[in-house]
This record gives sequence, C-alpha cells and structure tokens, in this order.
Amino acid sequence: QVQLQESGPGLVKPSETLSLTCAVSGASVSNYAWGWIRQPPGKGLDWVGYKSYSGKTNYNPSLKSRLNISLDTPKNHFSLELSSVTAADTAVYYCGRDHRGSIDFWGQGVLVTVSS
Amino acid sequence: DVVMTQSPLSLPVTLGQPASISCRSSQSLAHGDGNTYLNWFQQRPGQSPRRLIYQVSNRDSGVPDRFSGSGSGTDFTLKISRMEAEDVGIYYCMQGTHWPYTFGQGTKLEIK
Repeated sequence: QVQLQESGPGLVKPSETLSLTCAVSGASVSNYAWGWIRQPPGKGLDWVGYKSYSGKTNYNPSLKSRLNISLDTPKNHFSLELSSVTAADTAVYYCGRDHRGSIDFWGQGVLVTVSS
Repeated sequence: DVVMTQSPLSLPVTLGQPASISCRSSQSLAHGDGNTYLNWFQQRPGQSPRRLIYQVSNRDSGVPDRFSGSGSGTDFTLKISRMEAEDVGIYYCMQGTHWPYTFGQGTKLEIK
C-alpha cells in the first residue's frame, strides 16, 4: 500500500519561504508523478503542481513564479518550496501521487499558517 | 482554467435513499488519447480526500458498489444508490484533462 506523510513548519512568516516534505513508502518517486494540493481553511481544493522523475513538471500558473517542486530519489521523498508567502497561502497542504490526471493516494495533510 | 460547477452544494438525504451530484465543466474533458479524466473524491470530516471514481466511471478498490459515476463531455454525475451514515462528507469532482487540473466547489452530503 502506498503511503505519504507530509512534514514541515506549521507557521511561516509573511514574505518568507514555505518548505514542506512528503515521505513516500510503498512506491518509488522514480515512478509516476508526485504533487501538491492545498485547501484554505473552510474552502475547497486547489492544485499546486506536480513533478515526475522523467522531468515532466506542471505548476499552477497562479503560483509558478514562486514555486519549486523537487524529487529526492535516494530519500524517496519530494518537496515543495513556495516563496514570498502571504496570508493567502495559509492552507492545509496535501501531497499525493499523480497518476493519469488523478490523485490515487493522498497524505494526511499539514496545516501551514502564514502569520507574523 | 477549466471551471467545474457542482450542484447542489448541499444535499440532505434520508438514510437508505438515493443521492445524485452533478458536475459540469466549462470545456469538454475528452482527452486526445481517448480517455476522459473526470474523478470524484470523498472528504469525510477531519480527513484527507479519498478517490472514489476515476475516468468517469471506474470505482477504486474498496469503494462500495452503491457509488457509481457516469457522463461524458462536459456533464457528469455521481450517484449513491442508498445513503449510509458513513457517506456523510464533502464530495468533489476534479478534472485531470487540462492543466491546471481543477476541482468543483464541493457538495456537502448530510443525513436528513
């Protein structure tokens, strides 16, 4: 069974960089694509972006200038970096496995609050 | 971006009764490879989303057969044949045909 677990700071200051990691077990990040989805408190779901080991990368255009997703094959995890954050970036961030236009496995999510 | 519009946004259903959620897209979700990448997710209170249906009508492993998906082009439906207490939650459709992938606003399913 594929399992994903997000980790990272729960509080980030405005203008700083939000950094999260997703540890993967039961699958290799060398296969498939791996992505991030976020959910502002009390709101719906938004795609952040995904990356595959083969090099295919898609970032949400609204975040593209601030976003970097990377894969670490030796550690079998992948990471999200979102720079210059504002309160609008406060959300639960989920990592997931992207397969054929879908997310078939999700992490449990981590709440990140942007506040001074 | 492709806009996904769900209706209704709130759906109270009596236990044992059927439920139906509509999802419409602003563009056709038929992909050039012949598939249609329309998914349905269930999010129970306090939990992460769980995929129920992929490519319009394929149920994920472990999903009860009372859940079914149908549709084509821009018009899709999730049906629950008999409401059970464990079905309470928010249901989202999501298109994976056009980047950025987009979700519907969510339909809150509750017991009447």
